[in-house]
Amino acid sequence: DTGVSQDPRHKITKRGQNVTFRCDPISEHNRLYWYRQTLGQGPEFLTYFQNEAQLEKSRLLSDRFSAERPKGSFSTLEIQRTEQGDSAMYLCASSLARSARGTPQETQYFGPGTRLLVL
Amino acid sequence: GENVEQHPSTLSVQEGDSAVIKCTYSDSASNYFPWYKQELGKRPQLIIDIRSNVGEKKDQRIAVTLNKTAKHFSLHITETQPEDSAVYFCAASTSSSASKIIFGSGTRLSIRP
Repeated sequence: DTGVSQDPRHKITKRGQNVTFRCDPISEHNRLYWYRQTLGQGPEFLTYFQNEAQLEKSRLLSDRFSAERPKGSFSTLEIQRTEQGDSAMYLCASSLARSARGTPQETQYFGPGTRLLVL
Repeated sequence: GENVEQHPSTLSVQEGDSAVIKCTYSDSASNYFPWYKQELGKRPQLIIDIRSNVGEKKDQRIAVTLNKTAKHFSLHITETQPEDSAVYFCAASTSSSASKIIFGSGTRLSIRP
């Protein structure tokens, strides 16, 4: 599978611990997105990068969450001092933006997700 | 901000019949409407999308219609097959929203043999 990959696929942690997830986008995709999905709901946007720049963050992204994309390729999402409410599927997606901002949306391709359970 | 409503939340149809899922959106500036299919335990996968400069798009058994005036769009699946069973999400995005896609809450489609 040469699509978006995520690691780990599953993570169980105790409340208060820090966790870090990794996303590897499709090669040469310049945009990378993080979403959170809870049971029975659609994915909720968290943040996105264009190359290494983090251009938008959702209000859902509390100060315990931080995301990086240091070299414009893979990205990490860290959650500090995890809470039970953080339990969810964390999805990464990538896309290739061929035009400047303000032009029609490009297709986002999703990874398999990291399922987080906070005990 | 944008809000996307999706109905129904569950849908059961006889194999071979058609299935229709409807969505409404709130932001009149939305101009891109993708549909994703998510099978149990798997990633969301794009099945079809439509942009605001067209009213209908078809790909084999799947079609999507868009009514910009009423701010609603629909997914139509004809001649349903068992492998169509999954959760379907509609979504909307604006070109000025920094590529943020807002998803509906999903429709669980079951195909009865």
